[in-house]
Amino acid sequence: NAGVTQTPKFQVLKTGQSMTLQCAQDMNHNSMYWYRQDPGMGLRLIYYSASEGTTDKGEVPNGYNVSRLNKREFSLRLESAAPSQTSVYFCASSGQGGVTNYGYTFGSGTRLTVV
Amino acid sequence: GNSVTQMEGPVTLSEEAFLTINCTYTATGYPSLFWYVQYPGEGLQLLLKATKADDKGSNKGFEATYRKETTSFHLEKGSVQVSDSAVYFCALSVYPSGSARQLTFGSGTQLTVLP
Repeated sequence: NAGVTQTPKFQVLKTGQSMTLQCAQDMNHNSMYWYRQDPGMGLRLIYYSASEGTTDKGEVPNGYNVSRLNKREFSLRLESAAPSQTSVYFCASSGQGGVTNYGYTFGSGTRLTVV
Repeated sequence: GNSVTQMEGPVTLSEEAFLTINCTYTATGYPSLFWYVQYPGEGLQLLLKATKADDKGSNKGFEATYRKETTSFHLEKGSVQVSDSAVYFCALSVYPSGSARQLTFGSGTQLTVLP
C-alpha cells in the first residue's frame, strides 16, 4: 500500500543509548517531517526536509539529528537517549501541491520509551 | 507566531448526539486550516480542510467553516457514532512564510462516543 512507513513501531531504550528511527514514503513527495506527540501538547515539529538534500530544525530539535538519505527516506537519530525523549514519533510527508493545500500523509508512529 | 487553540477535552457524547469541537487560531499571512483525526494506535489522517475564508470543508459527515472574522474553524457533526471515537487535531499552515511547509497543530481533543 502506498504511504509512509515507519520502523520500528515500538522501542525501549536505556538512558544514554542511541537509535535511529526510519521513515520511507513511496508517493514521490518532496517534503518530509518528524514530529513528536506528547500528552496535552499535540504534535511538535522536530526537523523537516523541504526537499532532497536539505534539512532544517523545527520547534524541538535538541537531542536529535536527521538524515535525508534520498527522496524516499528520512531518518531520525537519537545520539544519547534521555527519559524526556519518551514520546510517540511520527514521520510525515507532503507532495507537489504543498502542505498548504493538501496537508500531510502520516506514518503510523513509533512509540519510544527511555528508561 | 502561528498558534492553534482547541477546546479542552475529553469530550464524551452519546451516540447520535451533536458534536462541536472549537478551534481558534492566530496566524501571520493567509492560513489554510485542517482537521486531522487519530484513531487509537494509528497515525493522523486528514479529515477535512479549507484553504480560504468562508470555505467549508466536509468529509464523513463532519464539517468546518473557515471564519476569518472570528479566526475560527470549529468542527461539527450532526449525529456522532461510536466509530467516531478518536482524537481530533486542528491545524494550520501559512503561505507564504519561512515555515510555509509546516503544519502547526492544536493540542488535540479526545472524543468518546458511548452507545
